[in-house]
Amino acid sequence: AQSVTQPDIHITVSEGASLELRCNYSYGATPYLFWYVQSPGQGLQLLLKYFSGDTLVQGIKGFEAEFKRSQSSFNLRKPSVHWSDAAEYFCAVGATGGSYIPTFGRGTSLIVHP
Amino acid sequence: DSGVTQTPKHLITATGQRVTLRCSPRSGDLSVYWYQQSLDQGLQFLIQYYNGEERAKGNILERFSAQQFPDLHSELNLSSLELGDSALYFCASSVDGAKNIQYFGAGTRLSVL
Repeated sequence: AQSVTQPDIHITVSEGASLELRCNYSYGATPYLFWYVQSPGQGLQLLLKYFSGDTLVQGIKGFEAEFKRSQSSFNLRKPSVHWSDAAEYFCAVGATGGSYIPTFGRGTSLIVHP
Repeated sequence: DSGVTQTPKHLITATGQRVTLRCSPRSGDLSVYWYQQSLDQGLQFLIQYYNGEERAKGNILERFSAQQFPDLHSELNLSSLELGDSALYFCASSVDGAKNIQYFGAGTRLSVL
């Protein structure tokens, strides 16, 4: 079975600073990988996804993520954070066979200081 | 707006009671998923339906059940409620298939008092 680890429960950055949220996965084959964002009182919104091909993936809202097979990682990055990026971020890994139900990490809460 | 509609937004009830949560998937999506989100457990997959049939089961308690109707909307029934059932319940939908992009509703916040 697949699993996801988001090592940071909270991350605090200043507005305008760069951001990297970490995600490590465990899966026996090449997984499908996702990042979702959850704003307060909202459902999860897909930021970006990796299925195959180019390991650097561009998403919405200026986010990108890089799949590194050797490190089993799929870290989320943004060069300059805006106050509106404050939210909960979830990494998820989807199996490439079977029921295809993604497994979500516990989430990282992003706090943005002015 | 994801296109997934969940009602009600908030539900307050007492222990021992039974409630029904409703989900309308995005137009064209055949698969519906239910998740429970709590502070201590994170986002836990409960159950998946595809075109009216149960497809996958996760950490769903026997007190909970779900179904998907011919018009593809789904209902999650929670019975004999306990304090620990207080959580956010999300519905997600997808076209289904191997590339499983899920679109989430805004959730139903259940408070059991």
